[in-house]
Formats: sequence, structure tokens, C-alpha cells
Amino acid sequence: EVQLVQSGTEVKKPGQSLKISCKASGYTFTNYWIGWVRQMPGKGLEWMGIIYPPDSDARYSPSFQGQVTISVDTSISTAYLQWRSLKASDTAIYFCARHVAVGIAQGWFDPWGQGTLVTVSS
Amino acid sequence: DIVVTQSPDSLAVSLGGRATINCKSSQSVLHSSNNDNYLAWYQQKPGQPPKLLLYWASTRESGVPDRFSGSGSGTDFTLTITSLQAEDVAVYYCQQYYTAPYSFGQGTKLEIK
Repeated sequence: EVQLVQSGTEVKKPGQSLKISCKASGYTFTNYWIGWVRQMPGKGLEWMGIIYPPDSDARYSPSFQGQVTISVDTSISTAYLQWRSLKASDTAIYFCARHVAVGIAQGWFDPWGQGTLVTVSS
Repeated sequence: DIVVTQSPDSLAVSLGGRATINCKSSQSVLHSSNNDNYLAWYQQKPGQPPKLLLYWASTRESGVPDRFSGSGSGTDFTLTITSLQAEDVAVYYCQQYYTAPYSFGQGTKLEIK
């Protein structure tokens, strides 16, 4: 069974750094892109970006470029989403998901992790 | 960037009834090389992550009931749910994967009338 298991809830202060994780199992990690999606409180889904594990080729939405870093550790089949300096507006649930690519990087997300709630508050 | 807009924002349908959700992209997502529409649909139930329902606009993911169907081409798409059941209460999202960033619609909340 393909599974993505994300790290737990985080409560941080503005200006702090954070790295959340997404551990994949049940498939060959290096055969699929993996991505991240933001869901702000009570809002819809926002596509943040994807990464190709074999070479760490990362594609970001312009809305998130420079704001976050997506990375992977293929030795432990884990993807990461990282912030250097959090803002209150980063408060959201963050989902990782396996990206089923059908072109160079085109594709849909399936399955999804359970989500990581990040709260940024002073 | 391609903007994806869903309508309505919410709807209420009787048990056993039919729900129709529309999705419109600001540019065509029909790829001329393969004649496929690069559009997916997801279902998100309260407190859960999204779940893939359909891809290529009309291909059901394994295990998805045939009550769920997708149609449309180019810029206009529809998700239809027939014989509505209580377990179908959720927010439904469409997503284009034609051009990065692979944007989602704003979501349509489906409730029971």
C-alpha cells in the first residue's frame, strides 16, 4: 500500500525556521515526483511545488518561489518542506502528495499525506 | 498562470439526487498531441486529506464508484454525482495539470438538502 506519513503539528513564533517531513512507503520513491499543497484555515488548496527525487529538480509556484524550499533525502524516502523565517500568514495545513507524472512534470496528486498543521503565532 | 474557477461555490442536493459541479479554466487544457484534457477532480471530506476521483477529465481512479463521472473538454468541465449518498458530503476541487503551476479551483462544498 502506498503511504505518505507526515510529521506532526508544529507551533512556532514569527521569524523562526521550520522543516516538516513526508515519509513515503509502498512504492519506489525515486520513480515519482512528490509535491506540497497548502490549505489555509477554512480555505482551498494551493499548489506549492514538486520535486523529482533522483536529481532534486524542483519546480515552484511563483507564489511560493523564494518563500519555501522543497528537498528530498532518497536514502530514507522522505521529502521536506522548509521555511527560513516563518510569518503568521504561513499558518496552514500542509499536505504532501505523490505526483503521478504523465509528461515532463505534468500530472496529478495521488495519494496524499494526512497533513501537517503549522501554526505561527507570537 | 492558468486560473481555474468552479461553480457554484456550494450546493445542496437531496439524497438520491444528482449534483453537478462546473470547472472552467482560463486557457484550454486540451493537449493537441494526445487529445487528452489535463484536468483532475478531488474530493475532500471534513478533517481528511483530498482524494483523487478522476483524471484526464473523465477517467475514474480505481475504487471510485461509477456514480462519479466527469465530462467536458478544452476549458469547460463538469463533475456529476448521481444517486447522492450521505458519504458524498465533501468539498470538491478540480485541478489543471497542463501548465505549471498546476492550479486548483477554489472548491465547491456539497451538502445534503
